[in-house]
Amino acid sequence: TQLLEQSPQFLSIQEGENLTVYCNSSSVFSSLQWYRQEPGEGPVLLVTVVTGGEVKKLKRLTFQFGDARKDSSLHITAAQPGDTGLYLCAGAETSGSRLTFGEGTQLTVNP
Amino acid sequence: GAGVSQSPSNKVTEKGKDVELRCDPISGHTALYWYRQSLGQGLEFLIYFQGNSAPDKSGLPSDRFSAERTGGSVSTLTIQRTQQEDSAVYLCASSSGPISTDTQYFGPGTRLTVL
Repeated sequence: TQLLEQSPQFLSIQEGENLTVYCNSSSVFSSLQWYRQEPGEGPVLLVTVVTGGEVKKLKRLTFQFGDARKDSSLHITAAQPGDTGLYLCAGAETSGSRLTFGEGTQLTVNP
Repeated sequence: GAGVSQSPSNKVTEKGKDVELRCDPISGHTALYWYRQSLGQGLEFLIYFQGNSAPDKSGLPSDRFSAERTGGSVSTLTIQRTQQEDSAVYLCASSSGPISTDTQYFGPGTRLTVL
């Protein structure tokens, strides 16, 4: 079973600050996804990265897949209270479609 | 269109009882997944159905857990002789295909509490 380590586990910042969440593994993934989850709801997909070194931007969010496809990062610029939530990374194994999830980063952005 | 729905939204049961959790996937989605999530934690894969293929049961934590998918649509996750450590949110997801980059759409989950 491939494992994903996500850090930090908790992050509390002020509105307007920047932050980065990391997702690391010793295993190679065929693709990596980032989800955001709010209380009482299921995770919602933000982005999928497939190619090593790939960078994708979604408004103030920047996602990067490591060159070796073992790690990824999520950077949020000028965080806003609406960004508050649980951010999850998930890697797809090289065989099959099963996803391995990280433990999540609980982000709180204070106004 | 309708998303993934799950029922019940909350279930409180006594230790030793059996429970059934239901998932209605998005119409036409061939892939269906069950996950378990402890409070504020990541998701633990339980089982995966794809079309008429044999399900991938490799994530089921014990033989007390089982799941069925009838007619390629609705799925039921059954937990027999529930234990307190089974308390968690059980999430169902569906996708249009078996490829890892196919988007998984999640339901709101069933919060199970075993007393």
